[in-house]
Amino acid sequence: EDQVTQSPEALRLQEGESSSLNCSYTVSGLRGLFWYRQDPGKGPEFLFTLYSAGEEKEKERLKATLTKKESFLHITAPKPEDSATYLCAVQARASKIIFGSGTRLSIRP
Amino acid sequence: SQTIHQWPATLVQPVGSPLSLECTVEGTSNPNLYWYRQAAGRGLQLLFYSVGIGQISSEVPQNLSASRPQDRQFILSSKKLLLSDSGFYLCAWNGGYEQYFGPGTRLTVT
Repeated sequence: EDQVTQSPEALRLQEGESSSLNCSYTVSGLRGLFWYRQDPGKGPEFLFTLYSAGEEKEKERLKATLTKKESFLHITAPKPEDSATYLCAVQARASKIIFGSGTRLSIRP
Repeated sequence: SQTIHQWPATLVQPVGSPLSLECTVEGTSNPNLYWYRQAAGRGLQLLFYSVGIGQISSEVPQNLSASRPQDRQFILSSKKLLLSDSGFYLCAWNGGYEQYFGPGTRLTVT
C-alpha cells in the first residue's frame, strides 16, 4: 500500500537553529515528490517538486533533497516567519497524490 | 498566471441542511480539479477529482457529491450535512504533476 509518513509531528526551534524535516514514502512508481507550506487557515502553498533520487531544490532558507525512500526539508537559520505546517506529498500511479500529515514547525524569536 | 478561487471562505450550517461549495480556476484550460478535506491537525483527504466536464471520480464513500458543469468550475455538494462533515475544504488544480490549492472553505456543522 502506498504510504507517506512525516516526522516529527511538531518541531520547535530557536531562531537561527537549523534542522531537518523528514518525509518517508513507500510507493510503486514514484512520479514526483512535493513539498508544501501551509499557514493556519490557508491553503497549502507549493514549494518544490523532486523527481528522482539525488535531486535537490533550494528556495531561500529551505533545501529539499530526495533519496529512494525519503525526502528531507532542511531549514537553515530559520526565522519566525518560517513557522508553518510543512506537508509532503507523493504522486505514484495515475493522477492520485498522497499527502503526509505534516510537520508543525514553530520558530521562537 | 493561474489563480484559483473558492467561496465562501467560512460557513456555519446546521445538521441536515444542504451544502454547496464552489471552486473556479482562471488562466488555464482543461485542468484536473480536486476536492480535499482537511480535519484539524490532520493530512489532506482526497474526496473527488475530475479530469473534464461531467467526469467525476469519488475516492471515499460519504454523503457528499461533486459536479463539474463547466471546464473551470468544480462544485462540492451535500443534500443533508452531518456533524462529521465539518472541516477545511480545499480545491486544487494541476496542469503538470504538482497541485495548486485555493484558499479553502472552513465549514462548521452545528
